[in-house]
Amino acid sequence: AQSVTQPDIHITVSEGASLELRCNYSYGATPYLFWYVQSPGQGLQLLLKYFSGDTLVQGIKGFEAEFKRSQSSFNLRKPSVHWSDAAEYFCAVIGGGSYIPTFGRGTSLIVHP
Amino acid sequence: GAGVSQSPSNKVTEKGKDVELRCDPISGHTALYWYRQSLGQGLEFLIYFQGNSAPDKSGLPSDRFSAERTGGSVSTLTIQRTQQEDSAVYLCASSLGSSSTDTQYFGPGTRLTVL
Repeated sequence: AQSVTQPDIHITVSEGASLELRCNYSYGATPYLFWYVQSPGQGLQLLLKYFSGDTLVQGIKGFEAEFKRSQSSFNLRKPSVHWSDAAEYFCAVIGGGSYIPTFGRGTSLIVHP
Repeated sequence: GAGVSQSPSNKVTEKGKDVELRCDPISGHTALYWYRQSLGQGLEFLIYFQGNSAPDKSGLPSDRFSAERTGGSVSTLTIQRTQQEDSAVYLCASSLGSSSTDTQYFGPGTRLTVL
């Protein structure tokens, strides 16, 4: 069965600092991987996704993520965080043959001015 | 429509009452998903509809939960005899098709509080 671990419940960064949110997955083959963002009172918005090909994926709002098969990871990065990036971030995985994503528990990003 | 809409945005009910939550997917999207988001938890899959096919109900936590999708568009999630542990945010999502690569678009959710 597929599973996703987001080890950090909360991350606090200063505005302008770089950001990395961790995501580890468990699945035998190459999964489909996603990062979503959820602002307070809002639904989830897709930031980026990885299916195959180039392991460095660019997304919206200046985010990128890198798929590392050897580490079973798909970490989300941003070089310079803005106060508006404060939100909940969810990593998700879909295993081959499935259409239902498994979500991690989320990481809450706090941005200090 | 412009996006997925859900109603009501908030629902407070008493233990034992039935509730109905509504989801309007994006026009033309054939796939519709319901998820539950409990405090501090990720999203828990509940049920999936694809076109006219039988729904995938494998995520429903008990027989108190049911859902229907009328005319391949609007969906209603019904929780009978609500319990306090049903308190959560219920999210609906739709996608153009059922492929794993189809992007899911989420509604803002319905926050259910069972007193």
